[in-house]
Amino acid sequence: EIVLTQSPGTLSLSPGERATLSCRASQSVSSSYLAWYQQKPGQAPRLLIYGASSRATGIPDRFSGSGSGTDFTLTISRLEPEDFAVYYCQQYGSSPVYTFGQGTKLEIK
Amino acid sequence: QLQLQESGPGLVKPSETLSLTCTVSGGSISSSSYYWGWIRQPPGKGLEWIGSIYYSGSTYYNPSLKSRVTISVDTSKNQFSLKLSSVTAADTAVYYCARLAKVFMVVDYWGQGTLVTVSS
Repeated sequence: EIVLTQSPGTLSLSPGERATLSCRASQSVSSSYLAWYQQKPGQAPRLLIYGASSRATGIPDRFSGSGSGTDFTLTISRLEPEDFAVYYCQQYGSSPVYTFGQGTKLEIK
Repeated sequence: QLQLQESGPGLVKPSETLSLTCTVSGGSISSSSYYWGWIRQPPGKGLEWIGSIYYSGSTYYNPSLKSRVTISVDTSKNQFSLKLSSVTAADTAVYYCARLAKVFMVVDYWGQGTLVTVSS
């Protein structure tokens, strides 16, 4: 079973700053099957990035994804107030099984 | 616009069976492009995939829950359902129903979620 480890657990930044969130897999993951989600309090998660680097419909271009193999990154180029939330990475593997990381909380500094 | 809506009891007693239904509107559950699934989130914690079903009835379950989970589909009602048996307090969570796109195996639509509490 592939384990996804996200870091940091909490990231404290100010609006306008750049955010870099990491997702590391315990073994190699197909880039086609690595995604990122944003979740705000009391809401369901929202798909941000699929295929490691493709933005979902309606997602602003300040969000970008990159990486391959075991290391993946979500970057928010310039933080807006509405970007402060919890972010999860997710992979799909054989079996089939969906696995989520434990999340990174992006909070206002 | 696709919508998914969970329904079912918000309180279940320990050792009993949790039952939820997801009603899909604005799209057909019989589409060959998607799976339909359940994901849960204990209060203050992360997301856990429970299982998925294809419109044909093929099912896929999280190995850690497989012995207790049954997911079924009713294409005539555009619904799919979750049954989780022998529940304990550890099964207390917000349960989301979701659409999973086959192309990139991601959750592209979520229900609003329903809190199920396991307590006597």
